[in-house]
Amino acid sequence: DAKTTQPPSMDCAEGRAANLPCNHSTISGNEYVYWYRQIHSQGPQYIIHGLKNNETNEMASLIITEDRKSSTLILPHATLRDTAVYYCIVRPGGSQGNLIFGKGTKLSVKP
Amino acid sequence: NAGVMQNPRHLVRRRGQEARLRCSPMKGHSHVYWYRQLPEEGLKFMVYLQKENIIDESGMPKERFSAEFPKEGPSILRIQQVVRGDSAAYFCASSELSGEETQYFGPGTRLLVL
Repeated sequence: DAKTTQPPSMDCAEGRAANLPCNHSTISGNEYVYWYRQIHSQGPQYIIHGLKNNETNEMASLIITEDRKSSTLILPHATLRDTAVYYCIVRPGGSQGNLIFGKGTKLSVKP
Repeated sequence: NAGVMQNPRHLVRRRGQEARLRCSPMKGHSHVYWYRQLPEEGLKFMVYLQKENIIDESGMPKERFSAEFPKEGPSILRIQQVVRGDSAAYFCASSELSGEETQYFGPGTRLLVL
């Protein structure tokens, strides 16, 4: 079972920041937070991951609370092409095992 | 810098036939994972392989399904005697040898069993 909780759906206006929350209250000290997204009928796309510090790359920013029990994925300027299901996954560091996908958040970016 | 390649992208089989799905990992990656996504459902892990070894097949049905990742060539997911319930999208992911755990996914193979 997935160890994360995400809202089933969210809307965002095009050009605005999309803030996708994720609760992972049972996260362990060595577990990373990963974010993937799946645009309709495509393969999941890696977005970003982090342990405890905030992370930023060309796609998004990841904000992890100090107690690490929740995080927020931020898409700074959402476009229509960002419409997708976003998955938050917690996983032990260095693990080569499988990813456990929950139901994710369906983000709809509207013009 | 090619990503994970999967072929065919679409596969149609009649009940009882065999389906072979191929996955070529990213260059330099020696870990391969297969996931299945049934219609309107989430992705479920099936099997994890390294070159010539199955590491974890806990998510793979015990019968009719097999996977391999030979020393040379792509990883193969084989489904024998397909049934309608096997209709799904099958995704392959790969990661590096060095322990970098980020998995990168291919575009998937859509299997339709008639």
